[in-house]
Parts: sequence; C-alpha cells; structure tokens
Amino acid sequence: GAGVSQSPSNKVTEKGKDVELRCDPISGHTALYWYRQSLGQGLEFLIYFQGNSAPDKSGLPSDRFSAERTGGSVSTLTIQRTQQEDSAVYLCASSLHGGYDGYTFGSGTRLTVV
Amino acid sequence: AQTVTQSQPEMSVQEAETVTLSCTYDTSESDYYLFWYKQPPSRQMILVIRQEAYKQQNATENRFSVNFQKAAKSFSLKISDSQLGDAAMYFCAYRSAGGWRNMRFGAGTRLTVKP
Repeated sequence: GAGVSQSPSNKVTEKGKDVELRCDPISGHTALYWYRQSLGQGLEFLIYFQGNSAPDKSGLPSDRFSAERTGGSVSTLTIQRTQQEDSAVYLCASSLHGGYDGYTFGSGTRLTVV
Repeated sequence: AQTVTQSQPEMSVQEAETVTLSCTYDTSESDYYLFWYKQPPSRQMILVIRQEAYKQQNATENRFSVNFQKAAKSFSLKISDSQLGDAAMYFCAYRSAGGWRNMRFGAGTRLTVKP
C-alpha cells in the first residue's frame, strides 16, 4: 500500500479480554516494528521483524504480549488478558532493509482498557 | 545501551520566529544515525530530518536544520520561520549503524506555535 495501515484506529476493551491489533506495512518493506506510546511518554520498543529472520522480541513487556507476521507482510500484535496499564497508543512502522533511512509509521491504534 | 534525552518537555514559539529543540544521546559507538520525527495530533510520526554520524555537514530540509555536535553528543533541531502547522510533538531518535537495529526515541518535546 501507499502507507502503513493500522486497524482498528481505536479500541476499547474490558480488563481481562484479549485484543488483536493489525498492521499492514508498505509493500516491499522487509522490516516491521511495533512500539508502544503511553500518555505523555516516548516510544517504547516492543518487537521487530526483519525478513525471514526470527523476530527480536526483547521489548515485549510480558508473556501476555505476542506478535506474528504472516507471509512477510501483515503483522498482528496480540495482548492477552488485558490490564489497565496496557492502555496506550500502539504504533507500527516499516522500513526498507534495516531502516537506515528512517521508518514509515502508521497512525497507531489507541487501546483503552476499562 | 544507548539513551536519548530531550530535556524540554514543552516549547513555544511565535509564528515566523525561530525555535531550537534540544536532544542529547549517550553512546559508545562511532557510527550511527540520528533522526527527528514530528507527531501531529493525527498520531502519525513523520520523518523531519536525518543525520549520518560520519558526516560533518549538518543536515537541512527546507526550514528545518540540525546542529550536530558529535563530540558533545548533541543533536538539536532548528525550525526557522515557524508556521502554525509546525505545532506537534517532536521526537529525537537514535539508530545504531550495525548490529542492534532498534531505533531508540527520546521522551519528546511538545511545540506550540502562537499566531
């Protein structure tokens, strides 16, 4: 696509429910990144996919968080048993190769856990 | 691990004036990339400018320019002739040239432009 697409734009969920956030990167971009942005905070790295290599999951805050990338394209971030502290904007970005030229970001998903 | 610090949580500037946003970083690496991103209320992060550490010359993009001081590990952003559309959160970011490819971000500076 022309840009990085994320869905849904906003999600309200009840504490304890599972949620799935979707990211559709720019066609041809081999790298895909997930970041979390809590209110008034900077961006916290979550996970990174590069081509067919094993993803770098070192930023995932707990085992309730997982992500997959199917066919080297679309990625889904799953949060199980959501907690109120999971409330944040989840940003996805993609890049050619390693992102030396910078990342292209989507508009994010604002997750609110009530 | 590399850290990025933006010491100005908020800044304001009068329309048509110039403003400088500060960023410092901590690294033991000699080769890396630095970025400034703008995040308007739409939430989408937009790349403003990029600097390669091995280049002495400061990057410029129209009204945006940087002052890159490698020895001081400083990377400030200057916005000239500020416009109302420049109002946004601005994030400084660091990316290693090799190995670990995670881009690290500062906490951001909220810029207000007064008409």
